[in-house]
Amino acid sequence: GENVEQHPSTLSVQEGDSAVIKCTYSDSASNYFPWYKQELGKRPQLIIDIRSNVGEKKDQRIAVTLNKTAKHFSLHITETQPEDSAVYFCAASRAAAGNKLTFGGGTRVLVKP
Amino acid sequence: GAGVSQSPSNKVTEKGKDVELRCDPISGHTALYWYRQRLGQGLEFLIYFQGNSAPDKSGLPSDRFSAERTGESVSTLTIQRTQQEDSAVYLCASSLPLGRSSYNSPLHFGNGTRLTVT
Repeated sequence: GENVEQHPSTLSVQEGDSAVIKCTYSDSASNYFPWYKQELGKRPQLIIDIRSNVGEKKDQRIAVTLNKTAKHFSLHITETQPEDSAVYFCAASRAAAGNKLTFGGGTRVLVKP
Repeated sequence: GAGVSQSPSNKVTEKGKDVELRCDPISGHTALYWYRQRLGQGLEFLIYFQGNSAPDKSGLPSDRFSAERTGESVSTLTIQRTQQEDSAVYLCASSLPLGRSSYNSPLHFGNGTRLTVT
């Protein structure tokens, strides 16, 4: 089955700096890669996703890049703000397996004012 | 519109007791998933329902765990003879069916049920 590795497990950045989280996946047939943000005590919420037919996607201060050959994808947050502090999870799935997502272990991001 | 609803929000039970957790998905979402999240850890897949197809039970950790779904509506996750290691937040999610492009749809999560086994 699919295996998703996520690094780093914790990330501390100064407000205004950028944060980068990296994930690798094992199943070359995976074609959908979402990122979820989970604030303390709350549900995971989708913040951005990318499909295997594109290499990069941006939405305001967040962007995701995908390298299918290397089987890795990354989340980039620019101009970080205190409200970006949360746990971020990457995930991967392939259509042939339904929509079953395999999640990475999560990255706890702390943005220091 | 209404999101994914889970009940109860918290459940404390004694070791050895059975528990039932309920999930009410978003209307029109044919796919429903259960995940488990232990304290400070990632999301562990448990089971997946898609329409009338046989569920994917590949993530259930033991035969003490089972789940049912009535049509494309409510689902219940049952844990029999609970153990302390079952303590976790149990998250339910739902999504639209696969699109015509065969690309997947985002999962929408509920707030979860925090299960504590004493």
